[in-house]
Amino acid sequence: AQSVTQPDIHITVSEGASLELRCNYSYGATPYLFWYVQSPGQGLQLLLKYFSGDTLVQGIKGFEAEFKRSQSSFNLRKPSVHWSDAAEYFCAVDRDGGTSYGKLTFGQGTILTVHP
Amino acid sequence: EADIYQTPRYLVIGTGKKITLECSQTMGHDKMYWYQQDPGMELHLIHYSYGVNSTEKGDLSSESTVSRIRTEHFPLTLESARPSHTSQYLCASSELSGSSQRDTQYFGPGTRLTVL
Repeated sequence: AQSVTQPDIHITVSEGASLELRCNYSYGATPYLFWYVQSPGQGLQLLLKYFSGDTLVQGIKGFEAEFKRSQSSFNLRKPSVHWSDAAEYFCAVDRDGGTSYGKLTFGQGTILTVHP
Repeated sequence: EADIYQTPRYLVIGTGKKITLECSQTMGHDKMYWYQQDPGMELHLIHYSYGVNSTEKGDLSSESTVSRIRTEHFPLTLESARPSHTSQYLCASSELSGSSQRDTQYFGPGTRLTVL
């Protein structure tokens, strides 16, 4: 079965510092991967997605992610963090290949705290 | 992006009451989903629908039920609320996108339910 692991439960960075949030997946076929962000008390907002092609994908709010098949990873990065980036970040994988009907498996999430 | 609406945003209710959480989307998406999310935890799929009159149970067993009479509307009902139902409930819908024609899910703001 597919699984998604986000090894870091909580990360703290200073405003202006760079950020990398880790995501590892377990999936037999070509994965379709997503990063979502959730602000407190809110729903999930799609940051970016990887379906195929270029392994470095750009998203909203200055985020990017790199798909590395050899490492089964899809890490999220941002060169300079803003205080408004403080939120919880979820990595997800589309499961079941062609019969997925859009169902996702989510990681446990990483809470990002930004210090001024 | 899809426009997905959930009402109420917050609900505090006593044990034994019947409740319905509303979810509507205006984009004409066929596929819709309900997730349950406890604080600090990942999302668990509890129901999904591929279209009108189609509903299926998800990964996490839930005492709630859903219906899909109209494409845009996917309400969730609890016949008799209990404290164990206290959680956040997130609704999503998806559309095919990209050259790979994979589903991308878009989320509503969520309903935070507290059962006393």
